[in-house]
Amino acid sequence: EVQLVETGGGLIQPGGSLRLSCAASGLTVSSNYMSWVRQAPGRGLEWISVLYSDGTTFYADSVRGRFTISRDTSKNTLYLQMNSLRAEDTAIYYCARTTVVTPVFDYWGQGTLVTVSS
Amino acid sequence: QSALTQPRSVSGSPGQSVTISCTGTSSDIGGYDSVSWYQQHPGKAPKVIIYGVTKRPSGVPDRFSGSKSDNTASLTISGLQAEDEADYYCCSYGGTNTYVVFGGGTKLTVL
Repeated sequence: EVQLVETGGGLIQPGGSLRLSCAASGLTVSSNYMSWVRQAPGRGLEWISVLYSDGTTFYADSVRGRFTISRDTSKNTLYLQMNSLRAEDTAIYYCARTTVVTPVFDYWGQGTLVTVSS
Repeated sequence: QSALTQPRSVSGSPGQSVTISCTGTSSDIGGYDSVSWYQQHPGKAPKVIIYGVTKRPSGVPDRFSGSKSDNTASLTISGLQAEDEADYYCCSYGGTNTYVVFGGGTKLTVL
């Protein structure tokens, strides 16, 4: 059974940094495409980043240059390093396994809430 | 403003059918057979119910069906049931520059 568990969310001041983790079981992070998708309170879904199995990364315009996606093979964990946080980054952050041929998010974690506020 | 346009809400009575539209452009929906739909119940993570425009993952009832015409995709739910009440999001591949785009979501109310 595939399980994705996100941790690392919390309250952070504008301009601050936070690192989210997504621990996986039942799948190998380094062999899969893995994404981060966020959802602001009461709002819709927004894809923000993907990490391919070959190490290629893509980012949404809204986070490019501030967020970095990475993984630790030994820990089978996906990360999202978030710098220069803004109020508009407040959201639930989900990690999701992403299929290769036609991007589909087929396994999701339960999400972790990031609140950016002074 | 979301890249894909969905109606904010739709409703239907048990047993009826409803269709949710999702309008994009030739750069996303119209350019690829890569539309997926997600169902999200309150407080829960999204769940994929349609992928590749028309395909259903294992375990998703055949009451859910997808289609596409030009730049518009549609999700049809037939034989509405109370548990179908949820938010629904469309999603499309948008090319290497955009990767994927989501719709703004549609709240389905089962009357």
